[in-house]
Amino acid sequence: GENVEQHPSTLSVQEGDSAVIKCTYSDSASNYFPWYKQELGKGPQLIIDIRSNVGEKKDQRIAVTLNKTAKHFSLHITETQPEDSAVYFCAASIRSTLGRLYFGRGTQLTVWP
Amino acid sequence: ETGVTQSPTHLIKTRGQQVTLRCSSQSGHNTVSWYQQALGQGPQFIFQYYREEENGRGNFPPRFSGLQFPNYSSELNVNALELDDSALYLCASSLVSGAPTDTQYFGPGTRLTVL
Repeated sequence: GENVEQHPSTLSVQEGDSAVIKCTYSDSASNYFPWYKQELGKGPQLIIDIRSNVGEKKDQRIAVTLNKTAKHFSLHITETQPEDSAVYFCAASIRSTLGRLYFGRGTQLTVWP
Repeated sequence: ETGVTQSPTHLIKTRGQQVTLRCSSQSGHNTVSWYQQALGQGPQFIFQYYREEENGRGNFPPRFSGLQFPNYSSELNVNALELDDSALYLCASSLVSGAPTDTQYFGPGTRLTVL
């Protein structure tokens, strides 16, 4: 099956700085890569996703890049705010599995005011 | 909010007991997936239901079973509970229509504690 590695496990930044979280995947058949934000006591919330036919996608302060050759994808958050503090998960999915998600272990992001 | 609801919010059971968790999928969605999230870990896929049939299972024993109903709501049943079953159980719904739409929307989860 697919194996998703995520780094770093913890990330602390000052408010206004940028944060970058990186993930790698092992199965070249993976074609869908979502990112989820999970706040304490809540379920994961989809914040952005990218498909394998696209190299980059941006939504306001959040962007995701995908390098299919190297099998890695990254989440970029600019102008971080304290409310961005949460655990972020990357995931990968193979179309033939009807969207079964393989998750990374998560990154605890803390934004200090 | 995603429109995916789960019940109950919290549950405490003892070893050997059985538990049923429930999920109502987002309106218009036909697929439900269940995940187990241990403390400090990413969610792990348990199984998925599509058109009321199990469609794929992760590395979980047969004492984890499920159902999907005609209205696309779903249940997760766990028999002979073990201490390691303590976790947050997440339900995610999605629409599978043949188009490239695999986006899964998660509910708030059920926190199960096994004593």
